[in-house]
Amino acid sequence: DGGITQSPKYLFRKEGQNVTLSCEQNLNHDAMYWYRQDPGQGLRLIYYSQIVNDFQKGDIAEGYSVSREKKESFPLTVTSAQKNPTAFYLCASSIRASGNSGTGELFFGEGSRLTVL
Amino acid sequence: GENVEQHPSTLSVQEGDSAVIKCTYSDSASNYFPWYKQELGKGPQLIIDIRSNVGEKKDQRIAVTLNKTAKHFSLHITETQPEDSAVYFCAAYLNTDKLIFGTGTRLQVFP
Repeated sequence: DGGITQSPKYLFRKEGQNVTLSCEQNLNHDAMYWYRQDPGQGLRLIYYSQIVNDFQKGDIAEGYSVSREKKESFPLTVTSAQKNPTAFYLCASSIRASGNSGTGELFFGEGSRLTVL
Repeated sequence: GENVEQHPSTLSVQEGDSAVIKCTYSDSASNYFPWYKQELGKGPQLIIDIRSNVGEKKDQRIAVTLNKTAKHFSLHITETQPEDSAVYFCAAYLNTDKLIFGTGTRLQVFP
């Protein structure tokens, strides 16, 4: 089945540790995104990538890092510099970058819930 | 800065009644307005969208209306069913190629 796979579904981390969340898609989509979801704050964009080997910061990139070495993979690292990392993280992809030239539809994974102990 | 406001944050209706969720946006250049539904423990899924050259779009029991002058758009669900219970997010695309989401509405449909 085509789709987006996020892992792990649940993750616990001690303060001061880096952790990497995996996101893989087999939809052959060009663009991939990472969102953070907190209660009452909607979805906030962390990083996005429109093409392999290129990515841009979103609205809340501080304390996070990403890579896009392969079209199908867009891992997110939550570093120890992120002050409040406990949250639900969602990865998404779209056929191509959003805007006037694209459909704009995002396909989301089922999310990874990170808890810092 | 650019933002999307969404109301109400929670909405409870009886099965068969209608539900309306409203959003306003700040960037007059926004041209695409999707709505996503998020069921418990899952990622959001697109349910309907509208572009700025259209005032209304309907798909079975759901419809979206857009008022560009007032910069607001609404989701209408008619004949609600228990399986409509979920969190709904509106969003608006900016000319900077960024999708800004509203804060979400938790809809509960009681049988």
